Amino acid sequence: AQTVTQSQPEMSVQEAETVTLSCTYDTSESDYYLFWYKQPPSRQMILVIRQEAYKQQNATENRFSVNFQKAAKSFSLKISDSQLGDAAMYFCAYRSARVGIGSWGKLQFGAGTQVVVTP
Amino acid sequence: KAGVTQTPRYLIKTRGQQVTLSCSPISGHRSVSWYQQTPGQGLQFLFEYFSETQRNKGNFPGRFSGRQFSNSRSEMNVSTLELGDSALYLCASSLAPDTSSPLHFGNGTRLTVT
Repeated sequence: AQTVTQSQPEMSVQEAETVTLSCTYDTSESDYYLFWYKQPPSRQMILVIRQEAYKQQNATENRFSVNFQKAAKSFSLKISDSQLGDAAMYFCAYRSARVGIGSWGKLQFGAGTQVVVTP
Repeated sequence: KAGVTQTPRYLIKTRGQQVTLSCSPISGHRSVSWYQQTPGQGLQFLFEYFSETQRNKGNFPGRFSGRQFSNSRSEMNVSTLELGDSALYLCASSLAPDTSSPLHFGNGTRLTVT
């Protein structure tokens, strides 16, 4: 079974600064997808960024970028130029690329990291 | 395009009762999955439906069940409620159950069992 670990319960960052959230995972599979989701107080989980394991290039979405280290099974998220609206709980998630019963629809989430943005 | 809609947003039930939660996926999305979120256990996968069939199920007791209708809308039911069932229940939809389709989540239903 896959496990996802987020070792930072909370991270604080000042506006306009950069913060990096760490995520490690354990899997025996070679093909999978990794995600970062954001959950603000509104409770809706919002997809921030996605990485396919077969791609060596790190994904980037505007101010959000990842550092994907497949051998180390590490998937960190960097938020640049932090804004007050970035304050939320951030979840790292794993999804198997194996097609078939037992893998469809299932995301394995980490415990989450609360990001606090101070003016 | 409207997002994933979950109703109701809040529910208060008594231990032993049953409850039904509803989820309407994004238009065109045919796969719906459900998650339970609690402070102690975090986010846990409940089940996933596609074409009115349950394709995958998490490690939850049989009191938790669901179904999907021909219009892709889904409901989940919890019978004989226990205090530990108090949680935020999140529904997510995707175009298809293939693993490359990203999941889009709703705002969740907050269930409180007293």
